[in-house]
Amino acid sequence: GAVVSQHPSWVICKSGTSVKIECRSLDFQATTMFWYRQFPKQSLMLMATSNEGSKATYEQGVEKDKFLINHASLTLSTLTVTSAHPEDSSFYICSARFGGRARADTQYFGPGTRLTVL
Amino acid sequence: AQSVTQLGSHVSVSEGALVLLRCNYSSSVPPYLFWYVQYPNQGLQLLLKYTSAATLVKGINGFEAEFKKSETSFHLTKPSAHMSDAAEYFCAVSPMIYNQGGKLIFGQGTELSVKP
Repeated sequence: GAVVSQHPSWVICKSGTSVKIECRSLDFQATTMFWYRQFPKQSLMLMATSNEGSKATYEQGVEKDKFLINHASLTLSTLTVTSAHPEDSSFYICSARFGGRARADTQYFGPGTRLTVL
Repeated sequence: AQSVTQLGSHVSVSEGALVLLRCNYSSSVPPYLFWYVQYPNQGLQLLLKYTSAATLVKGINGFEAEFKKSETSFHLTKPSAHMSDAAEYFCAVSPMIYNQGGKLIFGQGTELSVKP
């Protein structure tokens, strides 16, 4: 149980275009999903926290107009990189956690999406 | 504030040798602690977690970690390394505070290499 998928697994796009990445919890309902960015040989950087039915909470320094997050259902969150540029090229990883006030929160991670902007 | 320090960005062991990956945390409140493993071009897989129950936590693939409050440590060990253990390992901390939203704070990661 607790499987998280991402689509696409990799994408190449031209500079100036927008790219949408989907994150789905396949066998559980996730009231909260997280979006991370990871540069080569580095740790994960939290970009935003996405709660179902409400606006995402962005971390300091992350442009909310650049990285649009939508969490329309309990099993789906999307990240749209708008007007992508080469510096947006990175590995994007989402995670999801079970809903409720569970104190033993565990995040389950998707397989990641490799974005390359030409 | 919470933070995590992983000592050693790269650890190399021989197959069959003991694996020890170090993690120290800083937290003003009792933390939850996690170890995740990441294989190349993949997401993170949970190895084990500490949530204030037993201080010695057993995880998957033969890994275990011991929570030592006095040392603020949560080191990951495995008695005998296998070639398939070669990967990047991340230690993470999460505060036991509901309104923190379950955020994870990650260490910088330790790359484990296993020599035949």
